[in-house]
Amino acid sequence: EVQLLESGGGLVQRGGSLRLSCAASGFTFNSFAMSWVRQAPGQGLEWVSAISGSGGSTHYADSVKGRFTISRDNSKKTLYLQMNSLRAEDTAVYYCAKDIAASGHWGQGILVTVSS
Amino acid sequence: DIQMTQSPSTLSASVGDRVTITCRASQRISSWLAWYQQKPGKAPNLLIYRASSLQSGVPSRFSGSGSGTEFTLTISSLQPEDFATYYCQHYLSYSPPYTFGQGTKLEIK
Repeated sequence: EVQLLESGGGLVQRGGSLRLSCAASGFTFNSFAMSWVRQAPGQGLEWVSAISGSGGSTHYADSVKGRFTISRDNSKKTLYLQMNSLRAEDTAVYYCAKDIAASGHWGQGILVTVSS
Repeated sequence: DIQMTQSPSTLSASVGDRVTITCRASQRISSWLAWYQQKPGKAPNLLIYRASSLQSGVPSRFSGSGSGTEFTLTISSLQPEDFATYYCQHYLSYSPPYTFGQGTKLEIK
């Protein structure tokens, strides 16, 4: 059974940093691209970033480019999202998802709150 | 970037109704489109991929169609558990960001 478990969320001040983790199990982690999707309170889904199975290719939404960095440790079967220079508009539930899109497996989500 | 536009934003319907949600892409995406259902406080659930392929475990009352720039999600006979918000997402290869539509909230009439 595929399982994705996010951690690392919480309350951070504007301009601060946070690193999210997503621990994966139940599939061959290094064979699949992974992605991060977020959802601000009461709003729709926003695709944030994706990374190839090897980690050699990464993509970002314009809204986070230059501030967020996606990475993965295939030996630990863990996906990361390093978030720097956080803004109030980054407040959201962050989901990790298996595959670059059309994701059939998602984590439960982790809340990130940026206080101003 | 490819923009995805869903209509309507809100849809009121009754149990047993047939409903259709439309998603339009700002450029041709072949059949690289997915549909999701999301209920409050839960992660999205994949319903349809490749525009018309039903994800395993999803009831057959859900169907998808379209290609190019215009796509539809149809629920043939609404069940109480179908009242939720629905999103489309494109995933045309090498064309990130893989944007979502703004969502369609399906409400009980």
